[in-house]
Amino acid sequence: AQTVTQSQPEMSVQEAETVTLSCTYDTSESDYYLFWYKQPPSRQMILVIRQEAYKQQNATENRFSVNFQKAAKSFSLKISDSQLGDAAMYFCAYRSAGHALNFGKGTSLLVTP
Amino acid sequence: DSGVTQTPKHLITATGQRVTLRCSPRSGDLSVYWYQQSLDQGLQFLIQYYNGEERAKGNILERFSAQQFPDLHSELNLSSLELGDSALYFCASGGGTNEKLFFGSGTQLSVL
Repeated sequence: AQTVTQSQPEMSVQEAETVTLSCTYDTSESDYYLFWYKQPPSRQMILVIRQEAYKQQNATENRFSVNFQKAAKSFSLKISDSQLGDAAMYFCAYRSAGHALNFGKGTSLLVTP
Repeated sequence: DSGVTQTPKHLITATGQRVTLRCSPRSGDLSVYWYQQSLDQGLQFLIQYYNGEERAKGNILERFSAQQFPDLHSELNLSSLELGDSALYFCASGGGTNEKLFFGSGTQLSVL
């Protein structure tokens, strides 16, 4: 079974600074997808960014980017120019084609003024 | 707005009761996934339906069941409820080639 590990239960960043959230996963498959979801206090699950395993180029969405290291099975999320609205729980997730998302335990991100 | 609709938003019931949670997927999505989120277990996959057929099962209890109807909406039935079933239940839909899943706003179930 695929497992997703987020080793940082909590992280803190100052407004306008950069923070990196870590994620590692375990799989024997070659075709899969990786995601970061954000869950703010409203508890809505919001898709932040997505990476296809077959793509070497790291995905970027505005201030959010990933560092995908396929051989190391590592998938970290970098948030640049952090804003107060970025405060949330962040979940890393793995998915092979057509299957359900498998989530990590989450990292709680605190943004301080 | 994700396009996935879940009702009700909140549900309070007693132990031993039965409840039904409803989910309408995004237009065009054939797959529906149910997840349970609790403090101690995190986000747990329960069950997946694709175009009316059960596709995969996760950590779903025998007291729980689901179905997907011809109009693609899905219902999750929880019976003989226990205190430990209190959680946030999410529905997600997907099916496009980009493999994204979109989540509803969840149903918060409180079993008293």
